[in-house]
Amino acid sequence: KNEVEQSPQNLTAQEGEFITINCSYSVGISALHWLQQHPGGGIVSLFMLSSGKKKHGRLIATINIQEKHSSLHITASHPRDSAVYICAVSRPGYSGGGADGLTFGKGTHLIIQP
Amino acid sequence: EAGVAQSPRYKIIEKRQSVAFWCNPISGHATLYWYQQILGQGPKLLIQFQNNGVVDDSQLPKDRFSAERLKGVDSTLKIQPAKLEDSAVYLCASSFAYEQYFGPGTRLTVT
Repeated sequence: KNEVEQSPQNLTAQEGEFITINCSYSVGISALHWLQQHPGGGIVSLFMLSSGKKKHGRLIATINIQEKHSSLHITASHPRDSAVYICAVSRPGYSGGGADGLTFGKGTHLIIQP
Repeated sequence: EAGVAQSPRYKIIEKRQSVAFWCNPISGHATLYWYQQILGQGPKLLIQFQNNGVVDDSQLPKDRFSAERLKGVDSTLKIQPAKLEDSAVYLCASSFAYEQYFGPGTRLTVT
């Protein structure tokens, strides 16, 4: 079983729909990251969170530490949101401090159709 | 601010050949990572440097992969000899605090 599981693996939706991508993890973490990867492009960090909720524009990320679960929401989705969304976790005390190497989920391939 | 630079962007080699990738992190970032991303999967950490020291290389196949970060800035990742299953995108990332910044990656195809 992977330490970080995402669902769904693939998601196709219509423009304007509310999107939810889920992430569950089975290990202790110091932080959870949501990242975005466009086809042929690099990876961009969207959020890093260790508790509660963060919002940036139309993107909202939440985390429930007790349940080891996080969600990424996109409101009023747009075709330019089409990308792979990846959940990743950093482990506590892994490197003795600072930014730890990430353990990634397999990603959710999101397509927003006009 | 310039981002993480990687070269080459694409490389095609035959199995059993050698290949090297180069990464130039964001200026001032002490931590540097190499990840391997096989098609359809999430990236996997290969090695993490803190300045010029190795922090974690537990998932680096040391019989064929090696990496160095001389002077704590640029880094190179080498594969010798390459196998078919090494075909992947090799991502370099750097960080100053907790957020990681990724380079565009090097797509390696081993035939």
